[in-house]
Amino acid sequence: AQSVTQPDIHITVSEGASLELRCNYSYGATPYLFWYVQSPGQGLQLLLKYFSGDTLVQGIKGFEAEFKRSQSSFNLRKPSVHWSDAAEYFCAVYTNAGKSTFGDGTTLTVKP
Amino acid sequence: DAGVIQSPRHEVTEMGQEVTLRCKPISGHNSLFWYRQTMMRGLELLIYFNNNVPIDDSGMPEDRFSAKMPNASFSTLKIQPSEPRDSAVYFCASRTGSVSGANVLTFGAGSRLTVL
Repeated sequence: AQSVTQPDIHITVSEGASLELRCNYSYGATPYLFWYVQSPGQGLQLLLKYFSGDTLVQGIKGFEAEFKRSQSSFNLRKPSVHWSDAAEYFCAVYTNAGKSTFGDGTTLTVKP
Repeated sequence: DAGVIQSPRHEVTEMGQEVTLRCKPISGHNSLFWYRQTMMRGLELLIYFNNNVPIDDSGMPEDRFSAKMPNASFSTLKIQPSEPRDSAVYFCASRTGSVSGANVLTFGAGSRLTVL
């Protein structure tokens, strides 16, 4: 069965610093991978997705993620974090069973 | 498009009462999902529908939970009777069947349920 692991429950970075959120997945075939962001009191919003092709994908709000098949990873990055990026971030994998499996999320705190 | 619309946004009820959560998916989306989010268990898929037909309800916790999708623009999740451990945020999400947008979920804002 597919699974997603986000090793970091909580990350704190200073505003303007770079960010990397880790995601590892387990799936036997080529995965469809996603990052979603959830602001307090809101639903999840898609940041970016990887289906195939270029392993470095760009998303909204200046985020990017890199798919590394050899490491079963899909880490999310941003070169310079803004205070408005404070939120919870979820990695997800979609399988051909029609379902998406989500990681447990990483909460990002941004220090002034 | 107004997005995925859920109601109520907040519900406080007493143990034993019936709770009905409602969802209106995005027009044209042919798949609908119900998720439950708690601190302890994270985001759990309860059930999903394709073209109004339930495909996988293996995540429904027990018989107290039921979900229906009588047409393409409306779904309900019912808990009867409710228990304090059902307290959570319940999200509805929909997905288009088109190739370009395939597999991307659009979430509603959620219904926060508190069972006393």
